[in-house]
Amino acid sequence: QSALTQPPSASGSPGQSVTISCTGTSSDVGGYNYVSWYQQHPGKAPKLMIYEVSKRPSGVPDRFSGSKSGNTASLTVSGLQAEDEADYYCSSYAGSKRVVFGGGTKLTVL
Amino acid sequence: EVQLVESGGGLVQPGGSLRLSCAASGFTFSSYWMSWVRQAPGKGLEWVANIKQDGSEKYYVDSVKGRFTISRDNAKNSLYLQMNSLRAEDTAVYYCARVWGWGYYFDYWGQGTLVTVSS
Repeated sequence: QSALTQPPSASGSPGQSVTISCTGTSSDVGGYNYVSWYQQHPGKAPKLMIYEVSKRPSGVPDRFSGSKSGNTASLTVSGLQAEDEADYYCSSYAGSKRVVFGGGTKLTVL
Repeated sequence: EVQLVESGGGLVQPGGSLRLSCAASGFTFSSYWMSWVRQAPGKGLEWVANIKQDGSEKYYVDSVKGRFTISRDNAKNSLYLQMNSLRAEDTAVYYCARVWGWGYYFDYWGQGTLVTVSS
């Protein structure tokens, strides 16, 4: 049950787009279309932003989008805003009712 | 409004035990899988355990198997995590989360309760 691999940091200026990658294996990311992304502001609980690779829960801005190719999933934040500065975690179903998270990426809005 | 409120965290010595609770409201608790997810200080999220609606199925991350037990009381709308043989590496904020969808997503989270394992 190894964690998914994310870059520790990413950054972009307001209005720009930034993409965060999440690499797993054929046993998790590559094996299921059950990738999700969570946003976490300091001292707060995580918030579900993307599920089933590319779907957004109600209330999540369409600036957030997700995709997947093989064993790597990606989260793209377009039109960066100051409030997007947070930690982002990917997650994948890993079979047998288990879930695995990525190590997290700190997104900085310059 | 969905609410999940954890309690029971605190300071415990290595080898000790602690029982976390999560009080759920605002939804039909007995209709959902539930989970515990933890976050060590300054670190990432780690899924800990899942439990089926009726408690008949339970799953754990390898690092806690045999030491932690997840349970629920649907009559009390409550989720529990019994933690035994605690180790320093179990130090973390423990979140209660509602499981949603085939992909076992976590759509609602509590505010978390801090467990510190130290002598």
